[in-house]
Amino acid sequence: AQSVTQPDIHITVSEGASLELRCNYSYGATPYLFWYVQSPGQGLQLLLKYFSGDTLVQGIKGFEAEFKRSQSSFNLRKPSVHWSDAAEYFCAVGDYNTDKLIFGTGTRLQVFP
Amino acid sequence: GAVVSQHPSRVICKSGTSVKIECRSLDFQATTMFWYRQFPKQSLMLMATSNEGSKATYEQGVEKDKFLINHASLTLSTLTVTSAHPEDSSFYICSARPRGTEAFFGQGTRLTVV
Repeated sequence: AQSVTQPDIHITVSEGASLELRCNYSYGATPYLFWYVQSPGQGLQLLLKYFSGDTLVQGIKGFEAEFKRSQSSFNLRKPSVHWSDAAEYFCAVGDYNTDKLIFGTGTRLQVFP
Repeated sequence: GAVVSQHPSRVICKSGTSVKIECRSLDFQATTMFWYRQFPKQSLMLMATSNEGSKATYEQGVEKDKFLINHASLTLSTLTVTSAHPEDSSFYICSARPRGTEAFFGQGTRLTVV
């Protein structure tokens, strides 16, 4: 069965520090992977996605993620965090045939000045 | 990118009444839309897949008689929470995916049943 695991429920970093949010997935075929961000009470905004090709994908707001098939991971990174990055981050795996998305439990990011 | 509009953004209703939430794809046609539910500080759980012109497909454990889904056109899906109870209070989000690209999400609807 498809599943997504985000091991870190809550991460706190200082503004300007680097960030890595972990995501591991379980999927029977080549996964379609996504990272979304959600501000409180808001919908979801796509940060980046991986369908195929280059395993290092660039997204909006300076985020990037690397697909590592051997580790079944798709970790999100940002070299220097801004206070406005504080939000909830969701990793998701998609089924291309059904269009369904399976979400991880999310990681809440706090940024201190 | 594509736009998915969800309405209303917030709704408060009395226990026992029904509430309708609309999800519209504004600049593309969507034969399939999805409805998710998010409990506070939890992830999104897929409730059902809304299929234009046919019955919705519900995920295991979701009551189809409580959560009525209608997808009458290629740009509109509605979710009606019938006979709402306080435990139905939640954040409901819809999504739709244009062909060949990623899913786009509505802004979400915060339902509070009092």
